[in-house]
Amino acid sequence: DGGITQSPKYLFRKEGQNVTLSCEQNLNHDAMYWYRQDPGQGLRLIYYSQIVNDFQKGDIAEGYSVSREKKESFPLTVTSAQKNPTAFYLCASSVLPEGRKSNQPQHFGDGTRLSIL
Amino acid sequence: EDQVTQSPEALRLQEGESSSLNCSYTVSGLRGLFWYRQDPGKGPEFLFTLYSAGEEKEKERLKATLTKKESFLHITAPKPEDSATYLCAVQAIGYSSASKIIFGSGTRLSIRP
Repeated sequence: DGGITQSPKYLFRKEGQNVTLSCEQNLNHDAMYWYRQDPGQGLRLIYYSQIVNDFQKGDIAEGYSVSREKKESFPLTVTSAQKNPTAFYLCASSVLPEGRKSNQPQHFGDGTRLSIL
Repeated sequence: EDQVTQSPEALRLQEGESSSLNCSYTVSGLRGLFWYRQDPGKGPEFLFTLYSAGEEKEKERLKATLTKKESFLHITAPKPEDSATYLCAVQAIGYSSASKIIFGSGTRLSIRP
C-alpha cells in the first residue's frame, strides 16, 4: 500500500548529539514536509521540499537540517544546536498544486517521538 | 496576520449526542481549508478539503461546512471510535504550496459509551 513511513517511532538524544529521523514515501509525491508538534500547539513547519536537491526553511528551521537526494526520501537531522528538541515530529507529502487557486492536502506519516536523555 | 483558531479545546460527549467543532480563520485569501483526524501517537489522517463558502463535504457521521470566516465539523450521533483530536488547517492564496499552511491547535473529542 502507498504511504509514508517514518522511523524510528521513538528516539532518544544525548546532550551534544545529532540525530536523524527518516521519512520515506511511495506515493510519488513531489513535495515533502517536516513538522514539529508540541502539546496544545498547532503543527509548525520546519522545512519543506518541492523538488529533489532543493528545500526551503519553514517557520522554525533553526537547529535542524534536511536533505532531498531522492524523490522518495526526506531525512531530518536534529542538531545539537536545537536546545529544546523534545517533541513529536511529523513528515508529510503532497502533490504539488497547479495554479494559484488549486490546493492539495498533505498526507502524514505516523511520527517520531524524540526525547532527551 | 494569518491565523487559525479552533474551539473548543476539548469536548466530551455521550454516545449519540451530536455536536459541532469550530475552526475560525483569518487569511488574506483562502486557497483551501483542510480537516484532519489525529489519533494518539499517530499522524493526522486527511478527512476533507473545502474551498469555497457554502461548500459541504460528508463522510459517515462527519459533515464539514465552510463560510467566509469559519468552518464547522458536525458530528452526528457519534460513537466511541470517533474519539480523536480533529485538526483544521488553512492554505492561503499567494504563497507556494507548502510555506503557508497554518494549522489550528485542534479539538480533542471524547465520546463516552
